[in-house]
Amino acid sequence: GIQVEQSPPDLILQEGANSTLRCNFSDSVNNLQWFHQNPWGQLINLFYIPSGTKQNGRLSATTVATERYSLLYISSSQTTDSGVYFCAVKRSPGNQFYFGTGTSLTVIP
Amino acid sequence: NAGVTQTPKFQVLKTGQSMTLQCAQDMNHNSMYWYRQDPGMGLRLIYYSASEGTTDKGEVPNGYNVSRLNKREFSLRLESAAPSQTSVYFCASSEGYTIYFGEGSWLTVV
Repeated sequence: GIQVEQSPPDLILQEGANSTLRCNFSDSVNNLQWFHQNPWGQLINLFYIPSGTKQNGRLSATTVATERYSLLYISSSQTTDSGVYFCAVKRSPGNQFYFGTGTSLTVIP
Repeated sequence: NAGVTQTPKFQVLKTGQSMTLQCAQDMNHNSMYWYRQDPGMGLRLIYYSASEGTTDKGEVPNGYNVSRLNKREFSLRLESAAPSQTSVYFCASSEGYTIYFGEGSWLTVV
């Protein structure tokens, strides 16, 4: 399978601070997604980003497929950003998504 | 639009008991999945189904069975529950680029 490593494993921020989360993967992929798992356990899609850069409000993501990594940027963090952020990748042919172990983010007021 | 619905949300089992986790999606997706999530280990794939009538093992299939009853439904069965199967279970479905998750089922085996 594809190995997916995320860093840092844990992150504590003051409200208003910026952060960068990283996802490294061990093989070529044609599907990469970022998820946020809120404190109630719900998994929400943030980005589908196999390559390039996307922005959605205070969040943006960049994937450099040739170098096998992706970055998730969170600007002006809010307490509602707290939770675990997962990166997941998939390679065709195949149906399996491989997940990293996540970055646990805590935003303090 | 319900998306992916899984039941039950919480369950406590005794070692050796059996149970089935139910999952249904209303997005007409072909692919469906069962994952388990354990502390510090991310999500690990138990089984998946690429289409109605097909199932395949994932990373951690031992102790589980699945049934793709129709295009909408994909169930996960624990035949003889063990404490090591205490976990949070997520059902998911996908079509094309994005995967959508249910809200999770918290299972404790004592």
